[in-house]
Amino acid sequence: DQQVKQNSPSLSVQEGRISILNCDYTNSMFDYFLWYKKYPAEGPTFLISISSIKDKNEDGRFTVFLNKSAKHLSLHIVPSQPGDSAVYFCAASHLNDYKLSFGAGTTVTVRA
Amino acid sequence: ETGVTQTPRHLVMGMTNKKSLKCEQHLGHNAMYWYKQSAKKPLELMFVYNFKEQTENNSVPSRFSPECPNSSHLFLHLHTLQPEDSALYLCASSPRTGNLITEAFFGQGTRLTVV
Repeated sequence: DQQVKQNSPSLSVQEGRISILNCDYTNSMFDYFLWYKKYPAEGPTFLISISSIKDKNEDGRFTVFLNKSAKHLSLHIVPSQPGDSAVYFCAASHLNDYKLSFGAGTTVTVRA
Repeated sequence: ETGVTQTPRHLVMGMTNKKSLKCEQHLGHNAMYWYKQSAKKPLELMFVYNFKEQTENNSVPSRFSPECPNSSHLFLHLHTLQPEDSALYLCASSPRTGNLITEAFFGQGTRLTVV
């Protein structure tokens, strides 16, 4: 049973524009959410996170939004750069559990 | 470089072979994980070790056998694998502060092909 879903397998965006990646979850116990970025032939690297006590967290060009009532989070990248082309994974966990549940990933391609 | 090192990076093995994947971290983390990533599927958690003790076996077939001799090293022993076991195997580690999870640090993975 997949508890974290990324329904868009791919996203293509023009350089300088905004990239919006979406993630939905089904487990209402999740209270900590993370985004990972993965380049080919490399392991995922942590990008940004948000806890359920917040609805927004910003780090430079990356902002994560959390809508708990909708069980939905999104990652905004603005402005998008060619180096942002990668696979982005959404992940979630909950207190008292140290496991991360991952989505299937969204491949972002930033066009010059 | 995330501080988590996996060897080998690539491995091709026959179905009757025995091989081992190695993971090493010197980040002082207490928890270590094995994940499997198959094409177009979510990362699947396989095993979790916390302070060298296995705390999670996510219904993984016995042809995969983990070993954690100390908190810095994690192995995945492979034997009599099937072609459908071909995937990217990722090791990760994370610090534990009580029950709070923080971000996990991943190795670069081992690309396994079973022929």
